[in-house]
Amino acid sequence: GESVGLHLPTLSVQEGDNSIINCAYSNSASDYFIWYKQESGKGPQFIIDIRSNMDKRQGQRVTVLLNKTVKHLSLQIAATQPGDSAVYFCAENTGTASKLTFGTGTRLQVTL
Amino acid sequence: KAGVTQTPRYLIKTRGQQVTLSCSPISGHRSVSWYQQTPGQGLQFLFEYFSETQRNKGNFPGRFSGRQFSNSRSEMNVSTLELGDSALYLCASSYGQGGSPLHFGNGTRLTVT
Repeated sequence: GESVGLHLPTLSVQEGDNSIINCAYSNSASDYFIWYKQESGKGPQFIIDIRSNMDKRQGQRVTVLLNKTVKHLSLQIAATQPGDSAVYFCAENTGTASKLTFGTGTRLQVTL
Repeated sequence: KAGVTQTPRYLIKTRGQQVTLSCSPISGHRSVSWYQQTPGQGLQFLFEYFSETQRNKGNFPGRFSGRQFSNSRSEMNVSTLELGDSALYLCASSYGQGGSPLHFGNGTRLTVT
């Protein structure tokens, strides 16, 4: 599959544990943030998004937290499963709908 | 609903040639964006088309161009290929409004030899 970064930070978690993936963004004008999951051989898959007027948003097994003060975004995955193993990217934009700036990615490895 | 479809999945070209990649967006999506993904640079924005017009452009040379058709399908062209153009090229579609998430295809893997 595609290598999305030779030196990606890696997070290893045991199946059933909760995962927290962090992301720092640089542009204080960014007003929309998205988390994507990319599995080997596939394109990025939308997980969850959040606008800058929110601090927290929940989906199915996932929660995104936004701290605008320190320009930090996190993705929490509850009860991590082997199928969650992938590279996770945060992305931001500044109102221009489709021009996203992506982070470098974090590889999540789920051990049995 | 069918997802974003990109063709071909794999391409091998020689330096100096040109290549055309194709993207069919999700039905109802009017915006198509193109991204380049490499191990060294990560995901980088190439350009976006909305209603057949280029609406945004990234920092790539003029050898990279695109177009969008009236049915929202899009093509991307790279001329005078260089070895450094080897990458995964991803197409994404959306409704094109702020806060409308991009949905990506599985990409075209281009190898330039």
